[in-house]
Amino acid sequence: QVQLQESGPGLVKPSETLSLTCTVSGDSISAYYWSWIRQPPGKGLEWIGYIYYTGSTTYNPSLKSRVTISLDTSKNQFSLKLNSVTPADTAVYSCARYYYDSTGYYYFDPWGQGTLVTVSS
Amino acid sequence: DIQMTQSPSSLSASVGDRVTITCRASQTISSYLNWYQQKPGKAPKLLIYAASNLQSGVPSRFSGSGSGTDFTLTISSLQPEDFATYYCQQSYSTPYTFGQGTKVEIK
Repeated sequence: QVQLQESGPGLVKPSETLSLTCTVSGDSISAYYWSWIRQPPGKGLEWIGYIYYTGSTTYNPSLKSRVTISLDTSKNQFSLKLNSVTPADTAVYSCARYYYDSTGYYYFDPWGQGTLVTVSS
Repeated sequence: DIQMTQSPSSLSASVGDRVTITCRASQTISSYLNWYQQKPGKAPKLLIYAASNLQSGVPSRFSGSGSGTDFTLTISSLQPEDFATYYCQQSYSTPYTFGQGTKVEIK
């Protein structure tokens, strides 16, 4: 059973860099896409981006200039960095596997439990 | 970006009711539509993928239909554990986008 767990600071100061890590267990990170999604308090879900196991990345254009997603295959982890944060970046950040099946359909499954990151001085 | 619009935003229903949630895409997305259930403080859980395919382990009272721009999630007989927020998501093109959510509450 694949499980994902986010870790990282819960409080980040404005203008600094938000850094989170997702540890994957039960499956090798050397397959599929690995994604970050966020949800501001009381709001909907926003896809941040993903990284393919080859290291290729795709980001949401709304965040592209500030986002970096990377892989560490030796630790079976992938990470998110979001720089120049503002209070608008306060959200629950979740990691998820972007799974694709033999018929070519894609979906987020499973998800980590999510971690709240607050941007405040 | 493809905009996903769900309706209603919230609904009140009783145990045993049949519940229908709709999701409309701003352009055609074929069958690249997924449905998730989220309970307070928990991560979203995949219910339906590719518009109508039930994820393994999901009760058969959940079903999905539609293609193109209009999609439906149906719960045939609402159970106490189904009170949650439901989201649709398009996997047709990046940036992947979600509907705003439909909160199903106890009547």
